[in-house]
Amino acid sequence: DAKTTQPNSMESNEEEPVHLPCNHSTISGTDYIHWYRQLPSQGPEYVIHGLTSNVNNRMASLAIAEDRKSSTLILHRATLRDAAVYYCILRDFGNAGNMLTFGGGTRLMVKP
Amino acid sequence: DADVTQTPRNRITKTGKRIMLECSQTKGHDRMYWYRQDPGLGLRLIYYSFDVKDINKGEISDGYSVSRQAQAKFSLSLESAIPNQTALYFCATSDSLKRDRVTYNEQFFGPGTRLTVL
Repeated sequence: DAKTTQPNSMESNEEEPVHLPCNHSTISGTDYIHWYRQLPSQGPEYVIHGLTSNVNNRMASLAIAEDRKSSTLILHRATLRDAAVYYCILRDFGNAGNMLTFGGGTRLMVKP
Repeated sequence: DADVTQTPRNRITKTGKRIMLECSQTKGHDRMYWYRQDPGLGLRLIYYSFDVKDINKGEISDGYSVSRQAQAKFSLSLESAIPNQTALYFCATSDSLKRDRVTYNEQFFGPGTRLTVL
């Protein structure tokens, strides 16, 4: 799987939008972009995924650059509960193995 | 009730002891995984199983073994525990259905087992 690069940490104020960047310059045409997050003392949980078009769900939005070499996870109004480590992961959609390769992720801190 | 459960949640053991960590799921998924997480790092895959008769090594399988007793149960064993196996261990599940002709399968994680080897 292609690698991703994320900042080690970011800080946000409560109720403000948060933009978490991810660079994936070696992404292939068959790679999906996935985001998982890990709340303190919990296992990771799925957030969102996309291929080419921007995606929205109840948790977040995913903005994908036109060349797909970068993407941004957007939390529209950060809450204290959003404080977590966010992982950006690429997966080949033709890969039946369904493996997730976790990097270091971005630790998001939310200030009240 | 949680869909993916792990037992025990915490375990302290001594070097050389045999340890088994258990994972059960009620999601009806056929695929199960064991990951390890060291402090400040992401998760690394130890073993995975696509069904009861299919077991595969992951990135860091040395020193570990697994057993898939049933579709819903996947256990991880440390035959002779050593201190550098002290870590947080996560079990995960996913299904194998294709959606829109694409194999995309969200993984669901258990709460983790914190293992300390003295």
